[in-house]
Amino acid sequence: GENVEQHPSTLSVQEGDSAVIKCTYSDSASNYFPWYKQELGKRPQLIIDIRSNVGEKKDQRIAVTLNKTAKHFSLHITETQPEDSAVYFCADTLRGGSYIPTFGRGTSLIVHP
Amino acid sequence: AAGVIQSPRHLIKEKRETATLKCYPIPRHDTVYWYQQGPGQDPQFLISFYEKMQSDKGSIPDRFSAQQFSDYHSELNMSSLELGDSALYFCASSLKLHYNEQFFGPGTRLTVL
Repeated sequence: GENVEQHPSTLSVQEGDSAVIKCTYSDSASNYFPWYKQELGKRPQLIIDIRSNVGEKKDQRIAVTLNKTAKHFSLHITETQPEDSAVYFCADTLRGGSYIPTFGRGTSLIVHP
Repeated sequence: AAGVIQSPRHLIKEKRETATLKCYPIPRHDTVYWYQQGPGQDPQFLISFYEKMQSDKGSIPDRFSAQQFSDYHSELNMSSLELGDSALYFCASSLKLHYNEQFFGPGTRLTVL
């Protein structure tokens, strides 16, 4: 999406390694940032989200950090497993004051056994 | 638990034909979103409805229209179909506009020949 930059576009790791995906956004009023996992031909599934009143949120092997000053947020996956292989999308949810969800271009994560 | 239902799951149309996609949100969800996802692309927000009224508009072509009915189901009407309309169309629903997670349906794969 034009207002959300996501890096890297492809990430290849060995099983057990950590993976980090970063996104930047432009609207300083944005206050809700979800991350989605999408397997080929399937629906996007919310895996974790963060609101602007917190700086970090963790759920088992997945964590998200938010830096409002720098306007970027990151997804961290620890102890990666082959089933983590998928495309991951970050999203921003405000554009010009309207609730218009904008997705990043996606990161294809490949976890090698 | 009940999920978002979309029908049909697959649809094949010829150029210049029309298509109607249907979405049944999770019971008690009051907000519906429509997305278009081309091959290898991120989901693009088309339009949303809150309590049966249009809420926000994204990159929906003028050839497309949508509405939400009294039972909260929504329909996306697509006319004068073009080859470039071939994509996965997702519907998502949430309980409250802005602050609650979106649950995606399985999608409708539209192929325009």
